[in-house]
Amino acid sequence: GPKVLQIPSHQIIDMGQMVTLNCDPVSNHLYFYWYKQILGQQMEFLVNFYNGKVMEKSKLFKDQFSVERPDGSYFTLKIQPTALEDSAVYFCASSMDWGEDEQYFGPGTRLTVL
Amino acid sequence: GEQVEQLPSILRVQEGSSASINCSYEDSASNYFPWYKQEPGENPKLIIDIRSNMERKQIQELIVLLDKKAKRFSLHITDTQPGDSAMYFCAASTGANTGKLTFGHGTILRVHP
Repeated sequence: GPKVLQIPSHQIIDMGQMVTLNCDPVSNHLYFYWYKQILGQQMEFLVNFYNGKVMEKSKLFKDQFSVERPDGSYFTLKIQPTALEDSAVYFCASSMDWGEDEQYFGPGTRLTVL
Repeated sequence: GEQVEQLPSILRVQEGSSASINCSYEDSASNYFPWYKQEPGENPKLIIDIRSNMERKQIQELIVLLDKKAKRFSLHITDTQPGDSAMYFCAASTGANTGKLTFGHGTILRVHP
């Protein structure tokens, strides 16, 4: 089936550093999402993105977070600077349409902030 | 509110029996309710979903029920197998129809041979 790819699978960085998480969504999908999952807990919505713009973001999407998809390449989540509480698995998802359409999740990037 | 409550948090069943997971939501405008299965270290995978214009949907051994009036929905796995052991998450879309999903806290299902 359709696959969402995420690079890297693991990232360990020191607090205060910048990190960029990369997502390669399903090729014909137009809507992109980031979710955060702390170990053993549920996925929590961070942000959605369409046509080069953030459509909606949650309270978890702090000012230090930003997303972009320059020229149809990777959909990225950048955190600058990172904090200890940013340690989690970050899942990218994509869908063909808004709302009621299936969201396909990538394998996740495990971010550890020391 | 947008909270989704999910129970139970842990469910242990015998192989061949049924397993039921229940969720409730707050946003009466929610209209899409997917269920995801997540195995350790893996990404969540959609197993079944239901939209607000339906009350029941079945795909093989999976049945989902939706009661819009009570704002509850449930997943029933009939004839469980050890391969069904995983974490299951329910989710509800927000009324704004932007694709944002609010997930329940998850249910760990263990199917014992």
